[in-house]
Amino acid sequence: SAVISQKPSRDICQRGTSLTIQCQVDSQVTMMFWYRQQPGQSLTLIATANQGSEATYESGFVIDKFPISRPNLTFSTLTVSNMSPEDSSIYLCSVDPGTSGGGAVEDTQYFGPGTRLTVL
Amino acid sequence: AQKVTQAQTEISVVEKEDVTLDCVYETRDTTYYLFWYKQPPSGELVFLIRRNSFDEQNEISGRYSWNFQKSTSSFNFTITASQVVDSAVYFCALSVGTSGTYKYIFGTGTRLKVLA
Repeated sequence: SAVISQKPSRDICQRGTSLTIQCQVDSQVTMMFWYRQQPGQSLTLIATANQGSEATYESGFVIDKFPISRPNLTFSTLTVSNMSPEDSSIYLCSVDPGTSGGGAVEDTQYFGPGTRLTVL
Repeated sequence: AQKVTQAQTEISVVEKEDVTLDCVYETRDTTYYLFWYKQPPSGELVFLIRRNSFDEQNEISGRYSWNFQKSTSSFNFTITASQVVDSAVYFCALSVGTSGTYKYIFGTGTRLKVLA
């Protein structure tokens, strides 16, 4: 397993501003993921962030809106840019520690506590 | 298409009742994995169980049990003698793909309320 922390835990932001969310894991992992969970909804994958390569974004999510950094094997950031009220969600990061460096379909993902974002 | 359906949006039970949460999945992959996660009010997803597509044995862990049936594409979760602390949103997820490019597909979740 892995222990994951996220900062901030919650924030209230004004329309048009940007917020950077940090995700820290207590062990080195290759694969990290960012999800969005809109109020009362399921989790939607935003992107997969592998260290040493560009993040891979899912359909409907673009780098200009959700830039991601992955500078090392224990840390990642997600920025929500030019925010609107529709971006109000919980943003969660997860990691795949895996048994062979991660990335296998059988791997279990472990999730951080989430960042609750409200955009006014 | 790959999909996970949790038809029960919300379930309320009285403490000590048994409750079953349903999960139906769709995939054409022959190798896949199924998961259950618990999301308490604090928001963090807690991993509960993983099951692979080749293992249909039921599993029991304390008050929790899981019934996997490929014939009906279902992976149901039963809590026996429910407790107030079981109140949470429960997500079923399907992992498909190949190594390095897999992804999880989550159901919409079932909110369980256990009343004292």
